[in-house]
Amino acid sequence: GAGVSQSPSNKVTEKGKDVELRCDPISGHTALYWYRQSLGQGLEFLIYFQGNSAPDKSGLPSDRFSAERTGGSVSTLTIQRTQQEDSAVYLCASSSGTSAYNEQFFGPGTRLTVL
Amino acid sequence: TQLLEQSPQFLSIQEGENLTVYCNSSSVFSSLQWYRQEPGEGPVLLVTVVTGGEVKKLKRLTFQFGDARKDSSLHITAAQPGDTGLYLCAGRPRSNSGGSNYKLTFGKGTLLTVNP
Repeated sequence: GAGVSQSPSNKVTEKGKDVELRCDPISGHTALYWYRQSLGQGLEFLIYFQGNSAPDKSGLPSDRFSAERTGGSVSTLTIQRTQQEDSAVYLCASSSGTSAYNEQFFGPGTRLTVL
Repeated sequence: TQLLEQSPQFLSIQEGENLTVYCNSSSVFSSLQWYRQEPGEGPVLLVTVVTGGEVKKLKRLTFQFGDARKDSSLHITAAQPGDTGLYLCAGRPRSNSGGSNYKLTFGKGTLLTVNP
């Protein structure tokens, strides 16, 4: 389909390793969000991209987290030196705008497990 | 920090029963959305409410936005097993200029199980 896709769907890594998570948004959507969902918690905002504007990185929990969005499309979330508390589902969403009625379309998420 | 408190956290009911879940905050939101999330999938938008006191109906689901735009409720009539899932409310805070903020603040969700 033409929805948001994320890869990998599952990632198991060892503590201290780096991981890269990928998000392919819906074609033409200018806004892209990354969220983290831990067990029993709601969605925690991580970072927001809008067109060519500087991203809003205010939700990144530490400097081990970074994200890029190349060519206004695909985005990669990188976590360096992973820790066990990084284990969570990482969700990506895209939308065509940011008004109140704009729907965020979510991907299925990447489940990250840090051993 | 603007928080959204959802209650109950867990709800298990029999098919055909009615239920209401709540989303409360001390902060004012310019709009509020309800999402449903199934295992292994991302949340899917059910409704957006913008006006204080607004009521929207989606088949057996009724959504209400509080008059002060600080709270919302979701009522399901005659629940079906297919309604099972995690229901999340998400508010869009008002910006300092009085307009809308692009960030959504999510509640922790209500996990609903409807037993046949």
